[in-house]
Amino acid sequence: DQQVKQNSPSLSVQEGRISILNCDYTNSMFDYFLWYKKYPAEGPTFLISISSIKDKNEDGRFTVFLNKSAKHLSLHIVPSQPGDSAVYFCAASDRGGSEKLVFGKGMKLTVNP
Amino acid sequence: NAGVTQTPKFRILKIGQSMTLQCTQDMNHNYMYWYRQDPGMGLKLIYYSVGAGITDKGEVPNGYNVSRSTTEDFPLRLELAAPSQTSVYFCASSYSSLGRRETQYFGPGTRLLVL
Repeated sequence: DQQVKQNSPSLSVQEGRISILNCDYTNSMFDYFLWYKKYPAEGPTFLISISSIKDKNEDGRFTVFLNKSAKHLSLHIVPSQPGDSAVYFCAASDRGGSEKLVFGKGMKLTVNP
Repeated sequence: NAGVTQTPKFRILKIGQSMTLQCTQDMNHNYMYWYRQDPGMGLKLIYYSVGAGITDKGEVPNGYNVSRSTTEDFPLRLELAAPSQTSVYFCASSYSSLGRRETQYFGPGTRLLVL
């Protein structure tokens, strides 16, 4: 049973527009959420995170929103750039789980020039 | 800092062979992890370690073994390779302490093909 779900496998947007990547989770014990970006033949790199005590976290062009009641989080990228084209993974952990991460399947974002 | 390094980058194994995937981190992180990623899937945790001498199973530990004799190194051992172990393996590390959450840093991965 998938505890972290990224239901859309891909997204294509135009350069300069907003990219919205969605993620749902089922485990109510999760209290820390992360987004990782992955380029082909490389390891995932950390992008942004949010604790369950917040509902929004911003870092430059990247903003993550958390809706605990809906068990839903989203990553907004504004404006999108061609270099943002990559696979994005949503991940979650709970404090009592030795920081273990549970990953979604990933979403491939393509930003067209 | 080199961060998290993994060797080899790519390996082909025959069914039944064994091998060790190496992972080293130079960030003095206490936590280390091994994940595998199958095509079209997310990363799944194989084993993890919260410090030297301490290891525990993750979601998919069958067919693998680990050891953690030093803070820096966390090798993953495949004893009898099977085609189902064809995957990309990622090692990660993080620093964790009470009241402080830190992100995991990943290595570049080892691509393993079992034929």
